[in-house]
Amino acid sequence: QSALTQPRSVSGSPGQSVTISCTGTSSDIGGFNYVSWYRQHPGKAPQLILFDVNERPSGVPNRFSGSKSGNTASLTISGLQSEDEADYYCSSFAGSYTYYVLGTGTKVTVL
Amino acid sequence: DVQVEESGGGLVQPGGSLRLSCAGSGYIFGSYAMDWVRQAPGKGLEWVAGISGGGSTTYYADSVRGRFTISRDNSKNILYLHMNNLRPEDTAVYYCVRESGYCLGVWGQGTTVTVSS
Repeated sequence: QSALTQPRSVSGSPGQSVTISCTGTSSDIGGFNYVSWYRQHPGKAPQLILFDVNERPSGVPNRFSGSKSGNTASLTISGLQSEDEADYYCSSFAGSYTYYVLGTGTKVTVL
Repeated sequence: DVQVEESGGGLVQPGGSLRLSCAGSGYIFGSYAMDWVRQAPGKGLEWVAGISGGGSTTYYADSVRGRFTISRDNSKNILYLHMNNLRPEDTAVYYCVRESGYCLGVWGQGTTVTVSS
């Protein structure tokens, strides 16, 4: 049950786009189209922002988009805003034994 | 409004036990699988355990298997996490989460567990 690998940090200026990668294995990301992403502001609970690779829950702006290729998933934030400064975690369903695996987390800084 | 709310955290000595509870509201509780996810101080998220909507199937992370037990009482809309033989590395904020499909859809605010002598 190894964590999915994410970069420790990414940064961008307001209005720019940033992309966060999430690398797993054929047992998790590569085996299922059930990648999800979460945003966590300091001291707060995580919030779901994408599910099933590229589906947005109600209320999440379309600035957030996702993709997957092989064992790697990506989250792209377009039109970066100050409120996007937070920690971001990916997750993948991993079958009936491992169940869920989470990523190592990426800190997004808005310059 | 769909909500989940944890309770039961606290300070416990190494080797001790603790039971966390999570109350769900605003939805048909037994129709959704539930999970516990934890976050150690300054660290990332770690999935801990999950349970099917009816309670018949459970799942555990290797780090807690054999020490933690997840259960639910659908008549009371409550999810539990029974934690035995606690270790200092179990110190974390524990989040209760309602699944939505194959993702962790609705999160509680968390309850803090501290394992220390």
